[in-house]
Amino acid sequence: SYEVTQPPSVSVSPGQTASITCSGDKLGSKYAFWYQQKPGQSPVVVIYQDNKRPSGIPERFSGSNSGNTATLTISGTQTMDEADYYCQSWDSNTVVFGGGTKLTVL
Amino acid sequence: EVQLVESGGGLVQPGGSLRLSCAASGFTFSSYWMHWVRQAPGKGLVWVSRIHSDGNSANYADSVKGRFTISRDNARSTLYLQMHSLRAEDTAVYYCARDSSSGYTVWGQGTLVTVSS
Repeated sequence: SYEVTQPPSVSVSPGQTASITCSGDKLGSKYAFWYQQKPGQSPVVVIYQDNKRPSGIPERFSGSNSGNTATLTISGTQTMDEADYYCQSWDSNTVVFGGGTKLTVL
Repeated sequence: EVQLVESGGGLVQPGGSLRLSCAASGFTFSSYWMHWVRQAPGKGLVWVSRIHSDGNSANYADSVKGRFTISRDNARSTLYLQMHSLRAEDTAVYYCARDSSSGYTVWGQGTLVTVSS
């Protein structure tokens, strides 16, 4: 079955740029989605279809997807961005989530 | 207000059954694919199942195939997940989510299922 892989954790200083990767075989040929989940809350989509940002999501969130890797980039990271981030894609009528990346802002 | 509210979770013994419900409001439920996603305590999101807007097509994760059945009642704007032969590893918060080309744009608050003797 298809799998996508994320680093378990990423650390960034406030104001700096955070990059979270998601790797899978030929992932660039599929759409990638990114979700943010804060403790005790339901996930929220922050990027859809590789690089589109839903209304209400700050411009500092951006995405790309090429080859075998999708990347979520947070520019000018703020303390409020500390959360778990999950990439998601599709394969043969099933949905695949990455294992999640804990973003620490310190 | 667009909303999904899950119910039906609880404590069940291994081998037991449980039916989860997800009540939708604020949008045209019958126009959307709907999904169940679960999250074991302290773990990541795992997709469980999805069902077509008309209820005539469904897909399942291998881990639940043959044990779980997804269904919907568009007249009642309600999504269901019937779970049988439950195992300890099915213990999780179960979320229903609305699917669209923009991803899962609406999530419920989740309902906790605990499988334990």
